[in-house]
Amino acid sequence: AQTVTQSQPEMSVQEAETVTLSCTYDTSESDYYLFWYKQPPSRQMILVIRQEAYKQQNATENRFSVNFQKAAKSFSLKISDSQLGDAAMYFCAWSTGTASKLTFGTGTRLQVTL
Amino acid sequence: DTAVSQTPKYLVTQMGNDKSIKCEQNLGHDTMYWYKQDSKKFLKIMFSYNNKELIINETVPNRFSPKSPDKAHLNLHINSLELGDSAVYFCASTLSGQHEKLFFGSGTQLSVL
Repeated sequence: AQTVTQSQPEMSVQEAETVTLSCTYDTSESDYYLFWYKQPPSRQMILVIRQEAYKQQNATENRFSVNFQKAAKSFSLKISDSQLGDAAMYFCAWSTGTASKLTFGTGTRLQVTL
Repeated sequence: DTAVSQTPKYLVTQMGNDKSIKCEQNLGHDTMYWYKQDSKKFLKIMFSYNNKELIINETVPNRFSPKSPDKAHLNLHINSLELGDSAVYFCASTLSGQHEKLFFGSGTQLSVL
């Protein structure tokens, strides 16, 4: 069975600093997608960044970037210049290229301090 | 002009009751889902429908019955509610072949007393 593991239940970062959230996954599939979702207190699930497994280049979205290590099955999220609005639960998720469901990790709660 | 809308946003009810949660999307998608987020924030898929047909049923108790009257709607009916059903239920939708582009509703927080 495919699994997604987030080993950091909580993380804290100072405003304007950089933080990295870890995620590892286990799959025998060759075609898949990886995601980071943000869930603020409003409960809304917001897609932060998406990575196609066949792409070697790491995805970036403004202050958010990933370090995708396919051989190691690792997919970490780096948040640069952290802002108070980045405080939220962050979920790593996995999906195959043809499947119709996301498998989520257990989440990392990120606190941003002044 | 909300893309994926769920009603109600909050639902408080007694054990043993039957309740429904409704979901509608105006994105022209053909695939819809229900996900459950438990008290520890763990998210797991429950059901998926494609063109009104059930394609995923993840070992959910048969007290939960999804219904898709058309491609734009996916409702979730829960019979004989139990304390353990308390959770946030998320509806989501996408287009076939674009499963990497999933749109979530804002969730329904169900509290069973």
